[in-house]
Amino acid sequence: DIVMTQTPLSSPVTLGQPASISCRSSQGLLHSDGNTYLSWLLQRPGQPPRLLIYKISNRFSGVPDRFSGSGAGTDFTLEISRVEAEDVGVYYCMQATQFPWTFGQGTKVEIK
Amino acid sequence: EVQLVESGGFLVQPGGSLRLSCAASGFTFSTYWMQWVRQTPGKGLVWVSHINSDGSSTRYADSVKGRFTISRDNAKNTLYLQMNSLRAEDTAVYYCTRAISDYWGQGTAVTVSA
Repeated sequence: DIVMTQTPLSSPVTLGQPASISCRSSQGLLHSDGNTYLSWLLQRPGQPPRLLIYKISNRFSGVPDRFSGSGAGTDFTLEISRVEAEDVGVYYCMQATQFPWTFGQGTKVEIK
Repeated sequence: EVQLVESGGFLVQPGGSLRLSCAASGFTFSTYWMQWVRQTPGKGLVWVSHINSDGSSTRYADSVKGRFTISRDNAKNTLYLQMNSLRAEDTAVYYCTRAISDYWGQGTAVTVSA
């Protein structure tokens, strides 16, 4: 199974400041179809996860442009340019390149 | 508007069975592959099972293989998860998700306890 490792696991941030989360996979995530199925999800308290970013860097419908994704191979990053109060929650990276799909442990983002 | 509504979660004894359902609306259900993902209280997310758009291909996590069966009824726009031989470690909130998990339901809670 592909292991997804996120850092940090906790990130206290100041409103209006940037934040960054890293995700490393134990194997490359390039699929045979040429796509890299690396996604980022946000789970706000008491809610189901929601998709933010798919295929490394594509923002899902309705996701603010302060969220951006980057990376390749085994190293990926989610960046929030200016954190807002509604960004609080747990962020997960997820790979859907190979079964079983696997998730990172989650990074808890909270306001300082 | 895409909607996924899970149901069927309950308190069940170890060794028991449950069938979860996920009613889909707002999109052409029969053209999307679907998944079940579970989340243990206070823990992270774990992929459980996948089914392709016509139901001809399924995949399972090793932890549920041989005990859980995913299926779908495209005429009813509904996804199912038949769970047999339930164990305490199956206790979780179960979510159905669409395709690359672009949409998630609200989840249904399964508790396996004597």
